[in-house]
Amino acid sequence: DVKVTQSSRYLVKRTGEKVFLECVQDMDHENMFWYRQDPGLGLRLIYFSYDVKMKEKGDIPEGYSVSREKKERFSLILESASTNQTSMYLCASNSLAGAQKETQYFGPGTRLLVL
Amino acid sequence: GDSVTQMEGPVTLSEEAFLTINCTYTATGYPSLFWYVQYPGEGLQLLLKATKADDKGSNKGFEATYRKETTSFHLEKGSVQVSDSAVYFCALTGGFKTIFGAGTRLFVKA
Repeated sequence: DVKVTQSSRYLVKRTGEKVFLECVQDMDHENMFWYRQDPGLGLRLIYFSYDVKMKEKGDIPEGYSVSREKKERFSLILESASTNQTSMYLCASNSLAGAQKETQYFGPGTRLLVL
Repeated sequence: GDSVTQMEGPVTLSEEAFLTINCTYTATGYPSLFWYVQYPGEGLQLLLKATKADDKGSNKGFEATYRKETTSFHLEKGSVQVSDSAVYFCALTGGFKTIFGAGTRLFVKA
């Protein structure tokens, strides 16, 4: 069974802290994604990666960075957390080949509260 | 650029009612179309998909048909259950990126 895991379900941080969100997939997918989900706005893409050490900005990259040192792991970093980064963060992965190509597989999400 | 528009919620239905959630899209090229579902406290999961025009995706009693002429991919179910209460997202994928609609929350009352 395919699986995407995220390091935390809930996080509470203070303004200005550096925050790391980790995501691991076990499907050998090339592509990995970070989204944030806010009420009424749906999912917005922050960054994605199509290969190890490769990254591309999504629609809302400001205030975030990412790291992909291994194929199965994709980290989202909030360099200096701010209250407007309070949100649900969702990690996903997919492949552009195979029977389930393009289907995104999601982790359970991390709900981040920045005080 | 590409976009997805789906009907706003919430949608409230009684058990065994008929469900339609409208979804239209704009896209260059020939994207694949998806419906994802999000149950409370969980991430999104694939409900069904269609990869080319006139394809019908179906799963768990839900179905949607890829209509190129009307650029639509409406989700339907003939008889909803309380367990179908969730948020439903329409999405399109072309290349690396997936574009999601804003989501439609469905409440089903017993």
